[in-house]
Amino acid sequence: EIQLQQSGPELVKPGASVKVSCKASGYSFTDYNMYWVKQSHGKSLEWIGYIDPYNGGTSYNQKFKGKATLTVDKSSSTAFMHLNSLTSEDSAVYYCAREAFTTAFDYWGQGTTLTVSS
Amino acid sequence: DIVMTQAAFSNPVTLGTSASISCRSSKSLLHSNGITYLYWYLQKPGQSPQLLIYQMSNLASGVPDRFSSSGSGTDFTLRISRVEAEDVGVYYCAQNLELPPTFGGGTKLEIK
Repeated sequence: EIQLQQSGPELVKPGASVKVSCKASGYSFTDYNMYWVKQSHGKSLEWIGYIDPYNGGTSYNQKFKGKATLTVDKSSSTAFMHLNSLTSEDSAVYYCAREAFTTAFDYWGQGTTLTVSS
Repeated sequence: DIVMTQAAFSNPVTLGTSASISCRSSKSLLHSNGITYLYWYLQKPGQSPQLLIYQMSNLASGVPDRFSSSGSGTDFTLRISRVEAEDVGVYYCAQNLELPPTFGGGTKLEIK
């Protein structure tokens, strides 16, 4: 069974940084790009970027350049998203999602809720 | 960026009847390879989005055939026949023709 298991909720202070993880199982991790998506409360979905786990190649939404950094650990089939200089605008649910060969996002993590508050 | 536009709410429907949800893109999603890079996702309350339709008209694995989708290069319709209570949620259209992938604002399926 294919699963993307994300790390738990985070409560962090403004100005801090956080690293969210997404552990993949049930498929060959390096064969599929991993995307990250932001969903602010009650709002739509916004693409942050993606990483190719095979070679670590990345592409970012211009809006998130300098804010998000995507990495992977192939040995543990885990993708990571590091967010820095956090503000209240970064409070949201963050999802990882696998990009299928059909270019659809066919599997999603359960989401990680980030709250930035003093 | 390609803008995806959806109404915030569907027309209210009665369980067991049909529903339609529309989506419009600011640019044709039809690639020269003949594939239309339009997708539909459903986000049920408290859950992650789930894939319903890929490349405009293909049903994702495990999705009931009550769901179907069609369209042109810029105008698309998701149809749900015999709406069930489990279909409640927000439906998002999305494009992956070009970066950045973009999503519509979502349409909440309203049940009478």
